[in-house]
Amino acid sequence: DADVTQTPRNRITKTGKRIMLECSQTKGHDRMYWYRQDPGLGLRLIYYSFDVKDINKGEISDGYSVSRQAQAKFSLSLESAIPNQTALYFCATSDSLAGALDTQYFGPGTRLTVL
Amino acid sequence: GQQLNQSPQSMFIQEGEDVSMNCTSSSIFNTWLWYKQDPGEGPVLLIALYKAGELTSNGRLTAQFGITRKDSFLNISASIPSDVGIYFCAGQLRGSNYKLTFGKGTLLTVNP
Repeated sequence: DADVTQTPRNRITKTGKRIMLECSQTKGHDRMYWYRQDPGLGLRLIYYSFDVKDINKGEISDGYSVSRQAQAKFSLSLESAIPNQTALYFCATSDSLAGALDTQYFGPGTRLTVL
Repeated sequence: GQQLNQSPQSMFIQEGEDVSMNCTSSSIFNTWLWYKQDPGEGPVLLIALYKAGELTSNGRLTAQFGITRKDSFLNISASIPSDVGIYFCAGQLRGSNYKLTFGKGTLLTVNP
């Protein structure tokens, strides 16, 4: 079984709809992240959470919100989707106990299309 | 925000050739990571580097953490068709609270 899972894997929606992307992990990591990937732009950080009660904005948080329901679950919401939010979305996890050796592990991604 | 300059953007090579790609920045990094992304999948960690000057291998892959802490390279020897994909460098800036900055990726195509 995959350590980091994302649902759905693909989603097509219309402008103005509310969308939730979910991420679950079995790695026991305390830190979780949401990234967006666009062609030619690499991965950009949307939000990150270092613990259940900790939520932080990344470099492109406008138009998004997140919820850390449990240590293993981190969801990303688009309250009112717009076409320029069409992208690949990745969840990632890391372990603070790794200290300076901390690395991030990615889920398989969700392809979101907003019409 | 801080950018990593990753080059080349794309490479087309013949099977069996060696490949080299690199990332540079004007800032100092504490950690350098190299990921590979296959089509339709998430990035998978290939090599992690934690000390300046560190040279680490993973099979046919070799990566180094630059002495200045501002650059890193990844070499792939004797390329094979399954090496096709996008390779990303990522760095953890000094004082960034463990956030990663990603390069824009190198698209590698290997012709059999």
